[in-house]
Amino acid sequence: DQQVKQNSPSLSVQEGRISILNCDYTNSMFDYFLWYKKYPAEGPTFLISISSIKDKNEDGRFTVFLNKSAKHLSLHIVPSQPGDSAVYFCAASARETSGSRLTFGEGTQLTVNP
Amino acid sequence: NAGVTQTPKFQVLKTGQSMTLQCAQDMNHNSMYWYRQDPGMGLRLIYYSASEGTTDKGEVPNGYNVSRLNKREFSLRLESAAPSQTSVYFCASRYRSMNTEAFFGQGTRLTVV
Repeated sequence: DQQVKQNSPSLSVQEGRISILNCDYTNSMFDYFLWYKKYPAEGPTFLISISSIKDKNEDGRFTVFLNKSAKHLSLHIVPSQPGDSAVYFCAASARETSGSRLTFGEGTQLTVNP
Repeated sequence: NAGVTQTPKFQVLKTGQSMTLQCAQDMNHNSMYWYRQDPGMGLRLIYYSASEGTTDKGEVPNGYNVSRLNKREFSLRLESAAPSQTSVYFCASRYRSMNTEAFFGQGTRLTVV
């Protein structure tokens, strides 16, 4: 039972354009959502998060949108840069029902072409 | 400023051998996690420890055991390694009682032949 799904294994965009990465979830008890970035041979690093009480959170070039009714979140990167090329994971947790368990999606490989 | 430290970074095992992957964090976090990363499968939770003294199974616990030795350390043991356990293993930690991010170690690349 994959509770967090990233349906696009890969995405390719031109430098300067917008990158939109998508994530869907099934567990309605999830109340905190995160995006991580991973370069080869390194551990994942935290990028941005959003609580279920919000529908948008922005940090520089990165914005996360949450649509609770659709159980969908997305990460927007504007403008995209070649250094953004990495695997992006979304993750979710449900503090009240499952302690601190953190569930990840399959990841999306983003390639930003110069 | 170490964060989450995993040892070893690389390991090759023969089928049937045992080994323990070590993880330590110096951020005073309550919760610690072990994940494995396989192509197309994302990060799958093996075991986690919500707080010192507790451990719980994740999505893929079979073939593994864990020990939360103290607040800092959380080890993962493979009692009898199998080729299906060839993977990259990541340890992570976070505060339990609030919505915060988890911090990851650099990973252990394990090959079972």
